[in-house]
Amino acid sequence: AQSVTQLDSHVSVSEGTPVLLRCNYSSSYSPSLFWYVQHPNKGLQLLLKYTSAATLVKGINGFEAEFKKSETSFHLTKPSAHMSDAAEYFCVVSRAGGTASKLTFGTGTRLQVTL
Amino acid sequence: DADVTQTPRNRITKTGKRIMLECSQTKGHDRMYWYRQDPGLGLRLIYYSFDVKDINKGEISDGYSVSRQAQAKFSLSLESAIPNQTALYFCATSDPSAGGRETQYFGPGTRLLVL
Repeated sequence: AQSVTQLDSHVSVSEGTPVLLRCNYSSSYSPSLFWYVQHPNKGLQLLLKYTSAATLVKGINGFEAEFKKSETSFHLTKPSAHMSDAAEYFCVVSRAGGTASKLTFGTGTRLQVTL
Repeated sequence: DADVTQTPRNRITKTGKRIMLECSQTKGHDRMYWYRQDPGLGLRLIYYSFDVKDINKGEISDGYSVSRQAQAKFSLSLESAIPNQTALYFCATSDPSAGGRETQYFGPGTRLLVL
């Protein structure tokens, strides 16, 4: 079984300040973890993924996430928010191995960026 | 992702009508998926297909059916639409990789309203 909890449904930051979107996961297997972003009226775009290599994963647009097994966390960060970062962000866990490729989505965190 | 296209992008229909949502991909991936997104619930898997001869139910398949016409095409049908099927529907594709740590790529979504 696997699950994902995004701890904040809504986060508001000022432009130029750091972003932290929190995600905790539960998985009976060695997980793959992803962050996807959804801009208004757009599909889901992959930001970054963790697949058991380096625990600090760098993604697009200056985002990164750190896999912490002891804390079962995969928080998304960015040093300096930009107005274009305003979107909904989904943390996703996937079970590695076997023939299945099932994703379990978190409920999403809406990021608001203000001037 | 322009490699995964969905038609129509928006659809309004009436209760009891049969409708079909279509997905096409040019990524050459064998695996395709249909999800629905509801506010506050993230994405949930409806059906998935690992190749043209393989169709599997997801967690919320009741009221839906699918057809995998070719490697590149995967259609979702609502035989008799009901209002609680109002949602945003996403198609996704993936290419199985070693250890099952593959990435899913999403289409732009179809917004469906059932009156």
